[in-house]
Amino acid sequence: DVKVTQSSRYLVKRTGEKVFLECVQDMDHENMFWYRQDPGLGLRLIYFSYDVKMKEKGDIPEGYSVSREKKERFSLILESASTNQTSMYLCASRPRDLSGNTIYFGEGSWLTVV
Amino acid sequence: AQSVTQLDSHVSVSEGTPVLLRCNYSSSYSPSLFWYVQHPNKGLQLLLKYTSAATLVKGINGFEAEFKKSETSFHLTKPSAHMSDAAEYFCVVSDPGDYKLSFGAGTTVTVRA
Repeated sequence: DVKVTQSSRYLVKRTGEKVFLECVQDMDHENMFWYRQDPGLGLRLIYFSYDVKMKEKGDIPEGYSVSREKKERFSLILESASTNQTSMYLCASRPRDLSGNTIYFGEGSWLTVV
Repeated sequence: AQSVTQLDSHVSVSEGTPVLLRCNYSSSYSPSLFWYVQHPNKGLQLLLKYTSAATLVKGINGFEAEFKKSETSFHLTKPSAHMSDAAEYFCVVSDPGDYKLSFGAGTTVTVRA
């Protein structure tokens, strides 16, 4: 079975802390994504990576950075967490041939910043 | 660029009755279209997808969707709702060669006993 694993499901962090959200996929997919999901706003793309060490900004990259040192792992970093980053974060992956290919999602990471 | 409109933010049905979730899209190309389901505190799970083959697509758990190019619609249906269908449903569009997906705002389905 296809698997996208987000190691931290629920986190509570203080304002100003550095936060790492980790995502691992076991499908050898080239493309990996980080989304943020908020009530009434749907899913919004934060960052996208199409290969190791390659990344592109999505629609809402401000306040976030990413790291992809290995093909299977894509990390989202909040350099200095703020309360408006309290949200559900979803990691996803997809094969390189984009058209028609399914995107697979992790279970989500709930982050609360206090 | 593509966009997606889910016409209902909330749908309430009785168990055993049909479910209809409406989705309209705009795209300059021949898009791929997906329906995903999200149960509480879970990630998104693929229900079905359309990729320019048959216009009537069957998915998991008895769901199906019909692609109508003339109406730019991809509505999701199920003939008989089950309590376990209570969840949020997302219509998603993908243009060829574009990594960016467009998500609809979601439709929350409530199933009454």
